[in-house]
Amino acid sequence: AQKVTQAQTEISVVEKEDVTLDCVYETRDTTYYLFWYKQPPSGELVFLIRRNSFDEQNEISGRYSWNFQKSTSSFNFTITASQVVDSAVYFCALQGSARQLTFGSGTQLTVLP
Amino acid sequence: DTGVSQDPRHKITKRGQNVTFRCDPISEHNRLYWYRQTLGQGPEFLTYFQNEAQLEKSRLLSDRFSAERPKGSFSTLEIQRTEQGDSAMYLCASSPLSGMNTEAFFGQGTRLTVV
Repeated sequence: AQKVTQAQTEISVVEKEDVTLDCVYETRDTTYYLFWYKQPPSGELVFLIRRNSFDEQNEISGRYSWNFQKSTSSFNFTITASQVVDSAVYFCALQGSARQLTFGSGTQLTVLP
Repeated sequence: DTGVSQDPRHKITKRGQNVTFRCDPISEHNRLYWYRQTLGQGPEFLTYFQNEAQLEKSRLLSDRFSAERPKGSFSTLEIQRTEQGDSAMYLCASSPLSGMNTEAFFGQGTRLTVV
């Protein structure tokens, strides 16, 4: 069985602050992929990042960065210099040997001006 | 726009009625997924097609639910004898047939309200 836990239900920050969204996962698969999706009020899930289980190299892409630690089964996501447009629900998801994604319950991020 | 398209965007129905939703995936994508999302929760997997073959169904997909993907193109999800517990956002996603190293692209969903 697979499980994704996002302990932070809601986070509020003031614009230009950095914010980190936490994600912890459980899987018995040795090969798996981890994802972050963003869901703005319009409802469409927008893909942000994908990482495979063999690639623990962390990455920075613009204002986004990811910290994948296999030893702690965590895949955290950081937004630097947050903007109001970053306000959305963010989902962490896991894809193991099955094709479908297992999602966490999401973190509502509100960036205040 | 060549993204995943879902129709209708909103549906209000009376309990006991049947409803059908449509999903048009990205044209070159072989895989198609249906998910259900209730308020405050992440999407939950319902079923998955590879071309026209329905390869997997979740236990969430009761006998009242049926999905089809004729000719491996668009897909329909039908709910018979709707119940209030069926009220949710139904999301469709598609991805290409190239192993696991691909992300799924989601549509904007169909929001179902059963009254």
